[in-house]
Amino acid sequence: DTAVSQTPKYLVTQMGNDKSIKCEQNLGHDTMYWYKQDSKKFLKIMFSYNNKELIINETVPNRFSPKSPDKAHLNLHINSLELGDSAVYFCASSQDVIGQPQHFGDGTRLSIL
Amino acid sequence: SQQGEEDPQALSIQEGENATMNCSYKTSINNLQWYRQNSGRGLVHLILIRSNEREKHSGRLRVTLDTSKKSSSLLITASRAADTASYFCATGPRAAGNKLTFGGGTRVLVKP
Repeated sequence: DTAVSQTPKYLVTQMGNDKSIKCEQNLGHDTMYWYKQDSKKFLKIMFSYNNKELIINETVPNRFSPKSPDKAHLNLHINSLELGDSAVYFCASSQDVIGQPQHFGDGTRLSIL
Repeated sequence: SQQGEEDPQALSIQEGENATMNCSYKTSINNLQWYRQNSGRGLVHLILIRSNEREKHSGRLRVTLDTSKKSSSLLITASRAADTASYFCATGPRAAGNKLTFGGGTRVLVKP
């Protein structure tokens, strides 16, 4: 009965490769997010989708492309991976109302060799 | 710099003691939220306080908000070893959307 689940949990790959991370939520929320947490634990929003429409794009490189096939899923595809992409990526969801708490997945730890 | 900045960055206490951490922010907010992150896990929402509220309680948690000073505090009373985690504040803007801006967190270690 996991609320927000993302796969894979760990991703180890080489520079230049393309990879995808999947996220699904079963909470019936309208809005989903991708965050990046760096090695110093700073958490920064990357994207937000509301009912399959992109509403937040925080000047993330074009190599990162989110895709939302339906409001329960938000996947993240990354092209031409770079060393600086190494981080933990978190998916989250919430109701589409200002001031609603966000529910997070357990993260995908991406390591670039 | 981060919208929300926590202080201290790290805190070590004995079980049973209280833990207090502070958060400062820069712009006007609609609400401020506190989250906990256990090692290797995602963030878990603890408590939300709206800009027109000054204090809120949830179990052993007490949150205050001072909008004139643009600061908030989280107090954990009678701490337990299971409270060992990183704690983050996040601010929600007055603008539309639910974009949260997180601080760098306070790492709390509760020693048994």
